[in-house]
Amino acid sequence: QSALTQPASVSGSPGQSITISCTGTSSDVGGYDFVSWYQQYPGKAPKLMIYEVSKRPSGVSDRFSGSKSGNTASLTISGLQAEDEADYYCCSYAGSTTRFGGGTKLTVL
Amino acid sequence: QVQLQESGPGLVKPSETLSLTCTVSGGSIIDYYWSWIRQRPGKGLEWLGYIYYSGNTIYNPSLKSRVTVSIDTSKNQFSLSLRSVTAADSAVYYCARDEGIAVGTFDYWGQGTLVTVSS
Repeated sequence: QSALTQPASVSGSPGQSITISCTGTSSDVGGYDFVSWYQQYPGKAPKLMIYEVSKRPSGVSDRFSGSKSGNTASLTISGLQAEDEADYYCCSYAGSTTRFGGGTKLTVL
Repeated sequence: QVQLQESGPGLVKPSETLSLTCTVSGGSIIDYYWSWIRQRPGKGLEWLGYIYYSGNTIYNPSLKSRVTVSIDTSKNQFSLSLRSVTAADSAVYYCARDEGIAVGTFDYWGQGTLVTVSS
């Protein structure tokens, strides 16, 4: 099964907004509203940041938001902070299977 | 607070079976889907499979022939078996809880355990 497509890296300055895209197909991202996003620091387990496209778990900053259009989901981080520098992975339900994106390294300049 | 902890050998020989167990504490294993996810060194996340507390399983099609996930509700544990391993199976293996219905909403994760396949 193919991984979802994410940019390898994105960067932004403190205070700015960035968006990470996650492109799939009508069999995964486009077919279901079950897209989630994970933040991972080096050597640590991933942390759920967004689920069901745009919902935020309790305790996650409202600077993180999610959306979807067609076969592409997006994670937007507003008011970028140094602590946001991490790897980000999207994940989508794909009808009895689950796919992750290849990951995006966010650098805060 | 739900906590997950992986355990098992850190070194497995090629062609043998990788076996890991995830112990769930601070909550019941009942009524949730539980999953194994791995991450090869320097690479992305790869979902391996789910198990429901009832024993129903869903596997990654690309690994289905080599993977078995089982559950022991009396011990609040679930396990992973990966047969016929090669060096390509060397990875950090995570166990996780799916908050939804096996749709990729992993809200609790173990810390991960590194497994190296080498003779």
